Amino acid sequence: SQTIHQWPATLVQPVGSPLSLECTVEGTSNPNLYWYRQAAGRGLQLLFYSVGIGQISSEVPQNLSASRPQDRQFILSSKKLLLSDSGFYLCAWSEVYSNQPQHFGDGTRLSIL
Amino acid sequence: AQSVTQLGSHVSVSEGALVLLRCNYSSSVPPYLFWYVQYPNQGLQLLLKYTTGATLVKGINGFEAEFKKSETSFHLTKPSAHMSDAAEYFCAVSERGNNRLAFGKGNQVVVIP
Repeated sequence: SQTIHQWPATLVQPVGSPLSLECTVEGTSNPNLYWYRQAAGRGLQLLFYSVGIGQISSEVPQNLSASRPQDRQFILSSKKLLLSDSGFYLCAWSEVYSNQPQHFGDGTRLSIL
Repeated sequence: AQSVTQLGSHVSVSEGALVLLRCNYSSSVPPYLFWYVQYPNQGLQLLLKYTTGATLVKGINGFEAEFKKSETSFHLTKPSAHMSDAAEYFCAVSERGNNRLAFGKGNQVVVIP
């Protein structure tokens, strides 16, 4: 069966520090991969999605970037964190077809001080 | 572009009473529809989905939803609320050929003993 791993579960970082969040998927090949941010009372905001290695689509201009160095690995990064980057970050994967649901990791709670 | 409306950010329901969460969507083509549940500090878990075929869809934990094209709705119901149903619920829509999901802002369900 397929599983998705996301780490760390919680992270406290100072303003201006770099960020790297990692997500890996097991048990499937060539998945679509997604990064979301969830802010309190604002639902889920799609940040990036990827349909293949090195293929990244950005949904919202921001302080963050994403990379997909391997088929089942998706990394969310920042060079210098802002206070507004605080939130709950979720990674998800889906099969290629659009009628398939997305499956989510357990999330990373990021607090910027 | 597809979109979802969920009214009422907080929904209170008595234990044993009907749970009804409303979802209306906007889509230029026949949609794929999903309901997810999120428990505190966890990722989203798929409750049920509609792609094609039978318009009444049954999911996990006793939930079901009915796709009504004429009303552009996909309301979620459960006949009898349980304390364990306290969580946040998200409706989402995608379109054929589009791997991105559009999420509603969510309903926080509180179950009153």
